Amino acid sequence: DTEVTQTPKHLVMGMTNKKSLKCEQHMGHRAMYWYKQKAKKPPELMFVYSYEKLSINESVPSRFSPECPNSSLLNLHLHALQPEDSALYLCASSQDQGRSLTPLHFGNGTRLTVT
Amino acid sequence: GQNIDQPTEMTATEGAIVQINCTYQTSGFNGLFWYQQHAGEAPTFLSYNVLDGLEEKGRFSSFLSRSKGYSYLLLKELQMKDSASYLCAVRSDYKLSFGAGTTVTVRA
Repeated sequence: DTEVTQTPKHLVMGMTNKKSLKCEQHMGHRAMYWYKQKAKKPPELMFVYSYEKLSINESVPSRFSPECPNSSLLNLHLHALQPEDSALYLCASSQDQGRSLTPLHFGNGTRLTVT
Repeated sequence: GQNIDQPTEMTATEGAIVQINCTYQTSGFNGLFWYQQHAGEAPTFLSYNVLDGLEEKGRFSSFLSRSKGYSYLLLKELQMKDSASYLCAVRSDYKLSFGAGTTVTVRA
């Protein structure tokens, strides 16, 4: 069981759709992350929020828009995606971005298919 | 940026020991982490090293040499459920970056 919950588990969307991925954690962690993982590839960092502020954006296209409404929630808003954006989107959290001793805890991910 | 290298695949027999090596080149090293990932599932944290030496956690141990940019994960008393991908991840400038992963297949 994971303490980071992601919804939905699966999402199929057209290129003109707008959808959102949601992530929730109740471990009191103050850093939250979005990663993208293609099949048989390692997770790639997209965004990092630290204390509810965006601290890292890894040059992600603007069709991906993150949002951190509070310390427990992290959203990823999707608009006008391309088929190559199809992947497993992983949310993670850690106690504090600045403390290297704390591992990231991952959710089970949302498997996104763009048609 | 960083360059993280680990073998693509390894095969071992149930009950045996397997060692997965990881080499890295990075600036601003904060720590090295090992994760296990079963197909279609989330990565699960196994172990981390910040200082040089060996960290033991049950059947799993991880070693780090910062001067050599080298780490290994040791899996002992292999079980069938250990068949998975093992990801070496380096934390640098407070960002965690993953290697491509080593797929370990445990055979009876």
